[in-house]
Amino acid sequence: GAVVSQHPSWVICKSGTSVKIECRSLDFQATTMFWYRQFPKQSLMLMATSNEGSKATYEQGVEKDKFLINHASLTLSTLTVTSAHPEDSSFYICSARSGAAYEQYFGPGTRLTVT
Amino acid sequence: AQKITQTQPGMFVQEKEAVTLDCTYDTSDPSYGLFWYKQPSSGEMIFLIYQGSYDQQNATEGRYSLNFQKARKSANLVISASQLGDSAMYFCAMREGRGGGADGLTFGKGTHLIIQP
Repeated sequence: GAVVSQHPSWVICKSGTSVKIECRSLDFQATTMFWYRQFPKQSLMLMATSNEGSKATYEQGVEKDKFLINHASLTLSTLTVTSAHPEDSSFYICSARSGAAYEQYFGPGTRLTVT
Repeated sequence: AQKITQTQPGMFVQEKEAVTLDCTYDTSDPSYGLFWYKQPSSGEMIFLIYQGSYDQQNATEGRYSLNFQKARKSANLVISASQLGDSAMYFCAMREGRGGGADGLTFGKGTHLIIQP
């Protein structure tokens, strides 16, 4: 089956610093990748959608200057949380899809803690 | 209004019994897809089953089946013969549109299922 990896699996950073999270599709070409955020005991919320080679589309209320998304290749998308604050602490999960297929394959998630 | 509603925050079920997890949805798009995911405590999202809005038959995948009632806008997940390993959070999600482009999933709030021995 299709495999999506994320790195790192968890990260602790200090307030004001930036953190980059990688999402890779290991055995298929991901034309579209999605980034979700999940706060403790809550549901997943879509943050943004990125198509390879083009700018990401952000959901309402998500600051594009704070959450920088780059989808430079068909197997890699990155999410950079800039000037992180404690309220950015969350579980960040990416998913990837190939072409117009209905299924999204999820990565294992990255737990970010900002101190 | 919420697009995906899961009315059961938590459920306790005896092992080997069947369990139904409720999900209702709201969309005006004639083309949409409905998903169920399982999220164990490790956090990974495990795909269980998919139902397209134009699919004539209810989807089935092993012990999982989706009771799709289009007129009622409901897509309940049925797990037959529950097992201890089924204990997890279960999320219903919807994709609107024909696929491709900016159509990420909208998730419900989830149901925490606990299977008791």
